[in-house]
Amino acid sequence: AQSVSQHNHHVILSEAASLELGCNYSYGGTVNLFWYVQYPGQHLQLLLKYFSGDPLVKGIKGFEAEFIKSKFSFNLRKPSVQWSDTAEYFCAVSALYGGATNKLIFGTGTLLAVQP
Amino acid sequence: GAVVSQHPSRVICKSGTSVKIECRSLDFQATTMFWYRQFPKQSLMLMATSNEGSKATYEQGVEKDKFLINHASLTLSTLTVTSAHPEDSSFYICSATERQLYGYTFGSGTRLTVV
Repeated sequence: AQSVSQHNHHVILSEAASLELGCNYSYGGTVNLFWYVQYPGQHLQLLLKYFSGDPLVKGIKGFEAEFIKSKFSFNLRKPSVQWSDTAEYFCAVSALYGGATNKLIFGTGTLLAVQP
Repeated sequence: GAVVSQHPSRVICKSGTSVKIECRSLDFQATTMFWYRQFPKQSLMLMATSNEGSKATYEQGVEKDKFLINHASLTLSTLTVTSAHPEDSSFYICSATERQLYGYTFGSGTRLTVV
């Protein structure tokens, strides 16, 4: 069965620091990869997604992620974080199961706190 | 962009009663809808996948007789928590997709509290 792991459960950074959140998945087939953000009291919002093509994906609000197939990884990065980036970040993977509907499976989430 | 409306946003019910949560795709046809459950400070756990006009597919460990899912149209799916108990208190989130290539759109969630 596919699974998604996020190594950092809680990250604290100062404003302007660089961010990298790790995400690894376990599935040998073709996958679609996503990063979602959940701001306090709000619903999930899509940051970026990868389906095919350039493995370096650029998303909203200055975020980007790189798909490294050989490492089964899809790490999220931002060169300079802001206080408003304080939120919980979820990596998610969808994969085909015998031609059935793609299920979207989430990682455990990383809580990012940016200190002003 | 694609919008999914989930209602109600909050509900408090007595133990033993049933609660229905609606999930509507407002500007697209949701061929597939997903229902998730999120415990405090935890990730989203997939409960079931429903395709329009078909029976839902439940994840292992999810009681299908307790969590009834109906996906009768391309714009509406409902989750009914039957005979709710305090341990069913949680945050329930729906997600809809027209085609996987277009991604997944999430509802704003429903906070269920069973007293």
